[in-house]
Amino acid sequence: DTGVSQDPRHKITKRGQNVTFRCDPISEHNRLYWYRQTLGQGPEFLTYFQNEAQLEKSRLLSDRFSAERPKGSFSTLEIQRTEQGDSAMYLCASSLHEANYGYTFGSGTRLTVV
Amino acid sequence: KQEVTQIPAALSVPEGENLVLNCSFTDSAIYNLQWFRQDPGKGLTSLLLIQSSQREQTSGRLNASLDKSSGRSTLYIAASQPGDSATYLCALTGGSGGGADGLTFGKGTHLIIQP
Repeated sequence: DTGVSQDPRHKITKRGQNVTFRCDPISEHNRLYWYRQTLGQGPEFLTYFQNEAQLEKSRLLSDRFSAERPKGSFSTLEIQRTEQGDSAMYLCASSLHEANYGYTFGSGTRLTVV
Repeated sequence: KQEVTQIPAALSVPEGENLVLNCSFTDSAIYNLQWFRQDPGKGLTSLLLIQSSQREQTSGRLNASLDKSSGRSTLYIAASQPGDSATYLCALTGGSGGGADGLTFGKGTHLIIQP
């Protein structure tokens, strides 16, 4: 296993379109997290899964955002009716249930809404 | 709500110098603290993880310390090299923020090592 994989690396979309990102965590990690990072800021928590259950969502996650993790493996993050303010780096991380082992991040998906 | 502050926001030093990056946090009820490195336009690379029962961790030229009682962590980089140029992020688990077991990040220190 080579780590956390995210696809695509870059996405340019027109305002109003829907986009979907994918994250493949480290296989033995049962927790998966999504973060959003804008320029000059640290990443901000969006949501996390333990296995297939979505346990928490940030207030940053408006109703245009939805995340799934079917079968507790890969996860998808969909943004509907994209807005220019959605332009950011979307980062995925995974960890073991015991968070003391730390978090491993993917390379991120850079979204640009034009 | 947990707040994480990193000082300085930016730092530029000549190659070979030893340097210290600072991280402070408002809620000392943390589970662990992790330092990350981020290159421009890239994801995060974990550098060091300090669990709440530990005081410091070392990896090569890097040493990170944790003082929960004062709400501080430092990242020490010895004999800096141009390849160390990146943004360094401090992140915490626990305390009041970041989602259950999720991370709360500082804004980072943008480090430039001059050849």
